Amino acid sequence: SQKIEQNSEALNIQEGKTATLTCNYTNYSPAYLQWYRQDPGRGPVFLLLIRENEKEKRKERLKVTFDTTLKQSLFHITASQPADSATYLCALDGDTGGFKTIFGAGTRLFVKA
Amino acid sequence: GAVVSQHPSWVICKSGTSVKIECRSLDFQATTMFWYRQFPKQSLMLMATSNEGSKATYEQGVEKDKFLINHASLTLSTLTVTSAHPEDSSFYICSADPGQGNHEAFFGQGTRLTVV
Repeated sequence: SQKIEQNSEALNIQEGKTATLTCNYTNYSPAYLQWYRQDPGRGPVFLLLIRENEKEKRKERLKVTFDTTLKQSLFHITASQPADSATYLCALDGDTGGFKTIFGAGTRLFVKA
Repeated sequence: GAVVSQHPSWVICKSGTSVKIECRSLDFQATTMFWYRQFPKQSLMLMATSNEGSKATYEQGVEKDKFLINHASLTLSTLTVTSAHPEDSSFYICSADPGQGNHEAFFGQGTRLTVV
Protein backbone atom coordinates (compact mmCIF):
# COMPACT_ATOMS: atom_id res chain seq x y z
CA SER A 1 0.00 0.00 0.00
CA GLN A 2 1.01 3.62 -0.41
CA LYS A 3 3.08 4.85 2.47
CA ILE A 4 4.68 8.13 3.48
CA GLU A 5 7.27 8.19 6.23
CA GLN A 6 8.38 11.22 8.15
CA ASN A 7 10.57 11.15 11.20
CA SER A 8 8.21 10.83 14.14
CA GLU A 9 10.83 12.10 16.56
CA ALA A 10 10.86 15.83 17.11
CA LEU A 11 13.73 17.81 15.67
CA ASN A 12 15.35 20.28 18.05
CA ILE A 13 17.73 22.87 16.64
CA GLN A 14 19.29 26.14 17.66
CA GLU A 15 18.11 29.41 16.23
CA GLY A 16 20.06 30.41 13.14
CA LYS A 17 20.86 26.84 12.12
CA THR A 18 19.41 25.00 9.14
CA ALA A 19 16.63 22.53 9.83
CA THR A 20 16.37 19.54 7.50
CA LEU A 21 13.31 17.33 7.46
CA THR A 22 12.94 14.11 5.50
CA CYS A 23 10.02 12.56 3.68
CA ASN A 24 10.22 9.07 2.18
CA TYR A 25 7.50 7.30 0.28
CA THR A 26 6.79 3.87 -1.18
CA ASN A 27 4.39 2.38 -3.69
CA TYR A 28 3.53 5.74 -5.18
CA SER A 29 4.51 7.74 -8.24
CA PRO A 30 3.41 11.26 -7.39
CA ALA A 31 3.25 14.00 -9.95
CA TYR A 32 3.62 16.52 -7.12
CA LEU A 33 5.00 16.61 -3.65
CA GLN A 34 3.93 19.29 -1.22
CA TRP A 35 5.03 20.56 2.16
CA TYR A 36 2.65 22.06 4.68
CA ARG A 37 3.06 23.68 8.06
CA GLN A 38 0.62 22.84 10.83
CA ASP A 39 0.44 24.61 14.16
CA PRO A 40 -1.25 22.93 17.16
CA GLY A 41 -5.04 22.91 16.83
CA ARG A 42 -4.95 24.48 13.39
CA GLY A 43 -5.39 23.35 9.80
CA PRO A 44 -2.32 22.88 7.56
CA VAL A 45 -0.93 25.82 5.61
CA PHE A 46 0.60 25.25 2.18
CA LEU A 47 4.31 26.09 1.87
CA LEU A 48 5.81 24.65 -1.29
CA LEU A 49 5.01 22.32 -4.17
CA ILE A 50 7.61 20.54 -6.26
CA ARG A 51 6.84 18.57 -9.40
CA GLU A 52 8.26 15.21 -10.39
CA ASN A 53 10.44 16.77 -13.09
CA GLU A 54 11.93 19.33 -10.70
CA LYS A 55 14.94 18.62 -8.53
CA GLU A 56 14.82 21.64 -6.27
CA LYS A 57 12.50 24.49 -5.36
CA ARG A 58 13.18 27.54 -3.22
CA LYS A 59 11.00 30.11 -1.52
CA GLU A 60 12.64 32.65 0.76
CA ARG A 61 14.31 30.63 3.55
CA LEU A 62 12.74 27.37 2.40
CA LYS A 63 14.24 24.81 0.04
CA VAL A 64 12.75 21.52 -1.10
CA THR A 65 14.46 18.76 -3.04
CA PHE A 66 12.75 15.87 -4.76
CA ASP A 67 14.53 12.65 -5.73
CA THR A 68 12.13 10.34 -7.54
CA THR A 69 14.77 7.61 -7.74
CA LEU A 70 15.28 7.53 -3.98
CA LYS A 71 11.58 8.35 -3.47
CA GLN A 72 12.58 11.05 -1.05
CA SER A 73 12.12 14.73 -0.45
CA LEU A 74 14.17 16.94 1.85
CA PHE A 75 12.78 20.13 3.32
CA HIS A 76 15.25 22.75 4.53
CA ILE A 77 14.65 25.88 6.60
CA THR A 78 17.73 28.09 6.65
CA ALA A 79 18.46 30.67 9.35
CA SER A 80 15.75 29.07 11.47
CA GLN A 81 13.78 31.15 13.95
CA PRO A 82 11.69 30.19 17.01
CA ALA A 83 8.62 31.18 14.97
CA ASP A 84 9.41 28.29 12.62
CA SER A 85 8.54 25.87 15.41
CA ALA A 86 5.62 23.78 14.15
CA THR A 87 4.80 20.42 12.61
CA TYR A 88 5.72 20.03 8.97
CA LEU A 89 3.71 17.67 6.79
CA CYS A 90 4.75 16.06 3.56
CA ALA A 91 1.99 15.27 1.07
CA LEU A 92 1.84 13.42 -2.24
CA ASP A 93 -0.57 14.06 -5.04
CA GLY A 94 -1.26 13.71 -8.70
CA ASP A 95 -1.54 9.99 -9.19
CA THR A 96 -5.27 9.67 -9.53
CA GLY A 97 -6.32 12.41 -11.91
CA GLY A 98 -8.19 14.16 -9.16
CA PHE A 99 -7.01 16.34 -6.34
CA LYS A 100 -6.63 13.55 -3.82
CA THR A 101 -3.72 14.09 -1.51
CA ILE A 102 -2.19 11.70 1.00
CA PHE A 103 -0.29 13.07 3.97
CA GLY A 104 2.55 11.97 6.15
CA ALA A 105 2.20 12.17 9.93
CA GLY A 106 4.54 15.12 10.09
CA THR A 107 7.71 16.01 11.94
CA ARG A 108 7.62 18.37 14.89
CA LEU A 109 10.31 21.07 14.75
CA PHE A 110 11.43 23.05 17.80
CA VAL A 111 13.74 26.00 17.25
CA LYS A 112 15.39 27.21 20.44
CA ALA A 113 16.39 30.82 20.91
CA GLY B 1 -4.59 33.67 -0.96
CA ALA B 2 -7.88 31.82 -0.92
CA VAL B 3 -9.65 31.50 2.41
CA VAL B 4 -11.52 28.51 3.74
CA SER B 5 -13.52 29.02 6.90
CA GLN B 6 -14.59 26.16 9.13
CA HIS B 7 -17.14 26.39 11.92
CA PRO B 8 -17.26 25.68 14.77
CA SER B 9 -13.62 25.56 15.83
CA TRP B 10 -14.52 23.29 18.70
CA VAL B 11 -17.59 21.49 19.95
CA ILE B 12 -18.48 19.24 22.85
CA CYS B 13 -21.51 17.02 22.52
CA LYS B 14 -23.19 14.20 24.37
CA SER B 15 -22.95 10.65 23.16
CA GLY B 16 -25.80 9.81 20.79
CA THR B 17 -26.35 13.32 19.50
CA SER B 18 -25.45 14.71 16.07
CA VAL B 19 -23.02 17.48 15.26
CA LYS B 20 -22.80 19.56 12.09
CA ILE B 21 -19.55 21.12 10.89
CA GLU B 22 -19.52 23.75 8.15
CA CYS B 23 -16.81 24.44 5.61
CA ARG B 24 -17.05 27.58 3.50
CA SER B 25 -14.87 28.94 0.73
CA LEU B 26 -14.99 32.69 1.31
CA ASP B 27 -13.52 34.16 -1.85
CA PHE B 28 -13.74 31.42 -4.43
CA GLN B 29 -16.07 28.72 -5.64
CA ALA B 30 -15.22 25.12 -4.95
CA THR B 31 -16.90 22.32 -6.84
CA THR B 32 -14.94 19.89 -4.73
CA MET B 33 -14.09 19.97 -1.04
CA PHE B 34 -12.38 17.37 1.08
CA TRP B 35 -12.97 16.21 4.64
CA TYR B 36 -10.16 14.85 6.78
CA ARG B 37 -9.87 13.48 10.28
CA GLN B 38 -6.70 13.73 12.32
CA PHE B 39 -5.93 11.92 15.55
CA PRO B 40 -3.15 13.22 17.81
CA LYS B 41 0.31 12.85 16.31
CA GLN B 42 -1.11 11.12 13.26
CA SER B 43 -1.50 12.14 9.66
CA LEU B 44 -4.58 13.63 8.10
CA MET B 45 -6.79 10.82 6.87
CA LEU B 46 -9.09 11.58 3.98
CA MET B 47 -12.65 10.66 4.89
CA ALA B 48 -14.55 11.76 1.82
CA THR B 49 -14.62 13.99 -1.22
CA SER B 50 -17.57 16.36 -1.30
CA ASN B 51 -18.93 17.19 -4.75
CA GLU B 52 -21.28 20.09 -5.34
CA GLY B 53 -24.64 18.89 -6.52
CA SER B 54 -23.88 15.21 -6.25
CA LYS B 55 -23.19 12.50 -3.71
CA ALA B 56 -19.98 12.50 -1.77
CA THR B 57 -17.32 9.89 -2.42
CA TYR B 58 -16.29 8.12 0.76
CA GLU B 59 -12.97 6.46 1.46
CA GLN B 60 -12.83 2.81 2.35
CA GLY B 61 -13.82 2.18 5.94
CA VAL B 62 -15.71 5.45 6.39
CA GLU B 63 -19.41 4.96 7.13
CA LYS B 64 -21.43 7.19 4.85
CA ASP B 65 -24.53 6.89 7.02
CA LYS B 66 -22.61 8.07 10.05
CA PHE B 67 -20.72 10.91 8.40
CA LEU B 68 -23.26 12.72 6.27
CA ILE B 69 -21.88 15.17 3.75
CA ASN B 70 -23.88 17.81 1.94
CA HIS B 71 -22.40 20.13 -0.67
CA ALA B 72 -25.40 22.23 -1.48
CA SER B 73 -23.62 25.20 -3.02
CA LEU B 74 -20.29 26.10 -4.58
CA THR B 75 -19.14 27.70 -1.35
CA LEU B 76 -20.47 25.44 1.38
CA SER B 77 -20.00 21.83 2.39
CA THR B 78 -21.24 20.37 5.66
CA LEU B 79 -20.21 17.27 7.58
CA THR B 80 -22.69 15.87 10.08
CA VAL B 81 -21.48 13.31 12.57
CA THR B 82 -24.60 11.36 13.46
CA SER B 83 -25.14 9.47 16.71
CA ALA B 84 -21.72 10.53 17.90
CA HIS B 85 -19.70 8.30 20.20
CA PRO B 86 -16.56 9.01 22.22
CA GLU B 87 -14.43 7.26 19.58
CA ASP B 88 -15.56 9.89 17.07
CA SER B 89 -13.71 12.49 19.11
CA SER B 90 -11.07 13.89 16.77
CA PHE B 91 -9.89 16.90 14.83
CA TYR B 92 -11.89 17.33 11.61
CA ILE B 93 -10.48 19.48 8.81
CA CYS B 94 -11.84 20.47 5.43
CA SER B 95 -9.96 21.69 2.38
CA ALA B 96 -10.79 23.08 -1.02
CA ASP B 97 -8.99 23.69 -4.28
CA PRO B 98 -9.67 27.06 -5.91
CA GLY B 99 -8.97 25.45 -9.24
CA GLN B 100 -6.13 27.80 -10.15
CA GLY B 101 -4.10 24.96 -11.57
CA ASN B 102 -1.29 25.20 -9.03
CA HIS B 103 -2.47 22.25 -6.93
CA GLU B 104 -2.40 24.23 -3.73
CA ALA B 105 -4.98 23.13 -1.19
CA PHE B 106 -6.46 25.58 1.26
CA PHE B 107 -7.54 24.23 4.61
CA GLY B 108 -10.04 25.35 7.15
CA GLN B 109 -9.01 26.00 10.73
CA GLY B 110 -10.24 22.60 11.81
CA THR B 111 -12.91 21.54 14.30
CA ARG B 112 -12.07 19.79 17.55
CA LEU B 113 -14.91 17.44 18.36
CA THR B 114 -15.19 15.96 21.83
CA VAL B 115 -17.95 13.47 22.52
CA VAL B 116 -18.68 12.88 26.18
